[in-house]
Amino acid sequence: EDQVTQSPEALRLQEGESSSLNCSYTVSGLRGLFWYRQDPGKGPEFLFTLYSAGEEKEKERLKATLTKKESFLHITAPKPEDSATYLCAVLGTDSWGKLQFGAGTQVVVTP
Amino acid sequence: NAGVTQTPKFRVLKTGQSMTLLCAQDMNHEYMYWYRQDPGMGLRLIHYSVGEGTTAKGEVPDGYNVSRLKKQNFLLGLESAAPSQTSVYFCASSRVASNQPQHFGDGTRLSIL
Repeated sequence: EDQVTQSPEALRLQEGESSSLNCSYTVSGLRGLFWYRQDPGKGPEFLFTLYSAGEEKEKERLKATLTKKESFLHITAPKPEDSATYLCAVLGTDSWGKLQFGAGTQVVVTP
Repeated sequence: NAGVTQTPKFRVLKTGQSMTLLCAQDMNHEYMYWYRQDPGMGLRLIHYSVGEGTTAKGEVPDGYNVSRLKKQNFLLGLESAAPSQTSVYFCASSRVASNQPQHFGDGTRLSIL
């Protein structure tokens, strides 16, 4: 059974204070690892897909990396508008289309 | 750009009542999904559909039924609501290849008293 664990559960940062979120996963064979951002009262918004170990993707102050056991979402010099819950999900080769989500990391960036 | 639209946005039901949640997407996606999101548990898949007229069970299907009569619509039904079904429900859609990202609506917040 595919499993995803995200840490920490919550993260409070000062504006400009860089940090990383962790997503550890167990999957039979990885077809894709997805990062989403979720704002309060909204649905998850797609950020990145990573398909193989060593792959990296960047978008503004966010950078996602992937190893065989975990993924990191690095937030560089965050701004208050980066405050959100960040969700990680994996798609395994035995799971056709059925994403396994982690519980998320709630990030608060204060001015 | 509408994307994925869910109606209603909020609803309060009494135990035993029934209701239908509607999801509509305008991206011509083949695949559609229904999830529930509960605090500390992440999103869990209820049912999904790989095309018009087809549906399948996800991780937590009990107490729910679905229908996909038109490609752009995916309905989630609760026949006899229970307090355990109090949750936020999200609909998503994606392109044919199963490793394509899913695009989500903004959810329906359902409370069952």
